[in-house]
Amino acid sequence: GESVGLHLPTLSVQEGDNSIINCAYSNSASDYFIWYKQESGKGPQFIIDIRSNMDKRQGQRVTVLLNKTVKHLSLQIAATQPGDSAVYFCAERRGPNFNKFYFGSGTKLNVKP
Amino acid sequence: DTGVSQNPRHKITKRGQNVTFRCDPISEHNRLYWYRQTLGQGPEFLTYFQNEAQLEKSRLLSDRFSAERPKGSFSTLEIQRTEQGDSAMYLCASSSGRADTQYFGPGTRLTVL
Repeated sequence: GESVGLHLPTLSVQEGDNSIINCAYSNSASDYFIWYKQESGKGPQFIIDIRSNMDKRQGQRVTVLLNKTVKHLSLQIAATQPGDSAVYFCAERRGPNFNKFYFGSGTKLNVKP
Repeated sequence: DTGVSQNPRHKITKRGQNVTFRCDPISEHNRLYWYRQTLGQGPEFLTYFQNEAQLEKSRLLSDRFSAERPKGSFSTLEIQRTEQGDSAMYLCASSSGRADTQYFGPGTRLTVL
């Protein structure tokens, strides 16, 4: 079936390095994507979003890239900090009603000091 | 803007008991969503309200589950005759009609013994 998935369940990076978290989706009708950060025991926290009519969007230290040709989404975190350690989810909004999001199982980011 | 709030934060109950959770969305957000999240997984959509109308329900929402949003503000999620398989984090999110971004609350952690 169609699903949102992540290539790597765990990613370890050194503090100060850049991190790239990847996400694959298979529904070409998806029109909107969000990256969330979730710390242990807390709800998902909005990081950045992107619509399907864009291929790149930048925020503070974060960049989301969307490649609709290969149905791939990535989150880039610049100068990763210990506070970035968390599980990251990509969520896609699918038709036909575009009222709900589908989440992957997440990537755990470990930042080593 | 105080964000989405959920109560209680934790609930431990015995199998067969009924439980009710409350969600207060961000003020003026007319859309409210319930998700369920089990350990190591991303949130799964349960149901969605626009104002007081429940517009969509997942097949995950068995007849033991019921959600209401009587005045289009706060919402309740009730689980009757709880089972051990109901143990999970129940997340609430809200969004405004003008924007699509869903903002999550801290969740209610349910443990069924």
